[in-house]
This record gives sequence, structure tokens and C-alpha cells, in this order.
Amino acid sequence: GDSVTQMEGPVTLSEEAFLTINCTYTATGYPSLFWYVQYPGEGLQLLLKATKADDKGSNKGFEATYRKETTSFHLEKGSVQVSDSAVYFCALRALNAGGTSYGKLTFGQGTILTVHP
Amino acid sequence: DGGITQSPKYLFRKEGQNVTLSCEQNLNHDAMYWYRQDPGQGLRLIYYSQIVNDFQKGDIAEGYSVSREKKESFPLTVTSAQKNPTAFYLCASSIGGPVAPQHFGDGTRLSIL
Repeated sequence: GDSVTQMEGPVTLSEEAFLTINCTYTATGYPSLFWYVQYPGEGLQLLLKATKADDKGSNKGFEATYRKETTSFHLEKGSVQVSDSAVYFCALRALNAGGTSYGKLTFGQGTILTVHP
Repeated sequence: DGGITQSPKYLFRKEGQNVTLSCEQNLNHDAMYWYRQDPGQGLRLIYYSQIVNDFQKGDIAEGYSVSREKKESFPLTVTSAQKNPTAFYLCASSIGGPVAPQHFGDGTRLSIL
């Protein structure tokens, strides 16, 4: 079945440090890939997405590139801020047997990021 | 503003009771979803609905029920058959299709008294 594996957290960084959160996946066909962010006590917000190989999603200084050859979608940011402290989820939406998608997302377990001043 | 509203934010249930979590969206989305979030386990799909009057079980549907009588509403009932209901429940919606993102509500935290 489909699965997403994220690097284990928690991740603790100082402000302005470089961030990488690793994400690898297993899926049938060509999934769409997503990063979501969850701030304390809130729901998930879409951070960025990529729908085909070599696509780069970007938003708010975060980037992730869809690497089909390594089945990865690692999240990066060059200089983190305290306000980036949150839980980050990698997710995929794969195609079903009929070649269409019913929209089911498969999530990784989440990575807690804490940024100190 | 368009969005997804979940209510209540906090809910308490006594043993043996059924409780219903509300989810309303004014985004005109066809598809709606319910997820359960437990610490360190990510999100797991309970039920989803791609269109009014139709819904399918997700990965952990046992002990839950849903209805989809209106496009904008997708309530989730946690029945007494759900033996471990304490969790954070998230509702989401999307326009459907393989690349459309899901939009999430702010969640309901259910606890057992």
C-alpha cells in the first residue's frame, strides 16, 4: 500500500539556521505530493505541493522538489524563524486502480520543528 | 470568508454515549473527509464523501458513522462501539481531482470523562 516516511523529530534549530525535513514515499504510479503545516491547536494548512517528477513546490521560503528516482520530497528552508515552529506533515495522493484519484491523502507521522531565538 | 467550520472545539463524552462532531464548509467543495489524529501517528482517514448522498469508509471506520445529506455538511458520529475515541478530529474538503489540495478545519478535540 501507499506510505510516507518522514524523518523523526523533534527538530530543534536556532533562528536563521538551515532546515531540512526528509520525506520518502512508496506509491503506485505517479502520486501528487504535499507538505502541510500544523500550528498548535489548529488544523492543517497546505504549505506547498508538486504534481509530477522534477516539479518544485515553494511557499513562504520553503521548497521541496519531487524526486521520482529517489521517491523523495524533502522540505527545505534557508533561514528559519521562530514563527516557523510547528508540526510539518508530508503527504501523497496516489492514483487508484482505475487511474483516477478519489482524493485520499496518505500522511507521514509528522515532524515537530522548534525554532529558538 | 470561505472556509471549514468544525464545532465544538472541545467535546467530552461519557462512556457508552454517542457524540456527533459538526463540519460545515462554504467553499462549494464536492469532496469532504474526516481524519483522526493521534500523537506521533500522523492523520488517519475515517470516512470520505465525494458527492452528496454518497460516502465510503476510510482506513479506520469502525465505531464511526457519517451522513452527507447536504453538500456543505458532513457530520461525524463517534459511537459507543469506538473503544478508544480520545483524539483530535479533523475535517477537510476539496474540489476533487488528483491535484486539488484539501482544506482543513481547526479540529475538534474529543475526550472521555
